[in-house]
Formats: sequence, structure tokens, C-alpha cells
Amino acid sequence: GAGVSQSPRYKVAKRGQDVALRCDPISGHVSLFWYQQALGQGPEFLTYFQNEAQLDKSGLPSDRFFAERPEGSVSTLKIQRTQQEDSAVYLCASSLLPRSLSDSGANVLTFGAGSRLTVL
Amino acid sequence: AQRVTQPEKLLSVFKGAPVELKCNYSYSGSPELFWYVQYSRQRLQLLLRHISRESIKGFTADLNKGETSFHLKKPFAQEEDSAMYYCALSGGDSGGFKTIFGAGTRLFVKA
Repeated sequence: GAGVSQSPRYKVAKRGQDVALRCDPISGHVSLFWYQQALGQGPEFLTYFQNEAQLDKSGLPSDRFFAERPEGSVSTLKIQRTQQEDSAVYLCASSLLPRSLSDSGANVLTFGAGSRLTVL
Repeated sequence: AQRVTQPEKLLSVFKGAPVELKCNYSYSGSPELFWYVQYSRQRLQLLLRHISRESIKGFTADLNKGETSFHLKKPFAQEEDSAMYYCALSGGDSGGFKTIFGAGTRLFVKA
């Protein structure tokens, strides 16, 4: 596609409900990132995929958060038993090349519009 | 640990005035520094990165390793520069796959 597509754009959930957020990256982009952005804060790293492999999930705040990218393209971020503190904008970003410490300049992120989650 | 600090949450300047958005970072190794911008109702997007050493929309940023700073500067601010600006860092120690963002600075350029 022309850009990174995220759905839904807005989601209201009752506390305790499960939610699933979808990210469709730019075709051919190897790397995919999820970020959480609370109101008035910068994006906070959640997890990173290289193709279908989840190489870093150190930013996932609890075991209620789960992400997958089974075929190396579309990714889903799932939040189980949502809590009010999960309310945030969830951003997906993709980049063309795989990341490595020597891969200077290859890690420019293209962001989606985000999914705004409100937990009541 | 990697960290990006943007000390100003809000910066307000008059049109035509110089602007400097501050960014300091902590790192281990050789980081790559970026500025991302989010205009009203638009997506977060790359403004510039230090390895390119280029000027984008009149903005420049110099990496000062001694002061661990990457301040964003523009000599004459325009109203269309009003936006949210995020300094970001990637690379270094074990954080090579992550891009870490600062909390952001909202720039407001007054007519």
C-alpha cells in the first residue's frame, strides 16, 4: 500500500474486554514496530518484528499484551483484559531494511495514523 | 540505558524569530539521532537525521557528542512550523532495534 495502515482508528472498550489492533505495513518493509503513546508523552517502544520473527518485546508492559506477525506482513497487537491505564494511542511503524548496529541510516520509521484506545 | 530528554514541553516564538528545540541524550556506543515532527492532524514523520547532515524546511541539527546534544535549529521560524517535535535515538549497546523517543516539544509560532 501507499503507507502504513492501522485499524481501527478509534476503539472504546469496557475495562476487562479484549481488544485487537491491526497494522498493515508498507509492502516489502521488513521491520515493524509497535509504540504506545500516552497523552502528552512521546511514543514508548513496545515490540519489534523482523519479518515474522519477534526480535524484541521488552517494551510490552505486561503479559496482557501480545503481538504477532505470522506471515511477515500484517501485524496484530492484542490486549487482554484491558485496564484504564491501557488508554493511549498505539502507533505502528515500518522500515524497509532490517536493523543491525552497523546498518547506519536504514532505520527511518514510517508511521501509521495510530489507533486510539479508550478504556472505560 | 538509552534516554532522550527534551526539557521544554512548549516553545512559543514569533514569526521570523530564531528557534532552537533542545535535545539531550544518554547512550552507550554510537547512536543515530533523528528529529521527527507531527503536524496537526497528520502522522508522525521524519524531519531529519544526523547522518544526512542536511537542512530540511530550513531546520538543521548538529550532533555534539561532547555535550550529548542534538538541538534542532531554524534561523527564521514560520507559522507553518507549528507542530510537535520529537527527538529520537537508535543504535548503541543492546538497543539497536529500538528507536527511543523524547517526550516532545510543542512549537507554536505566533504571527
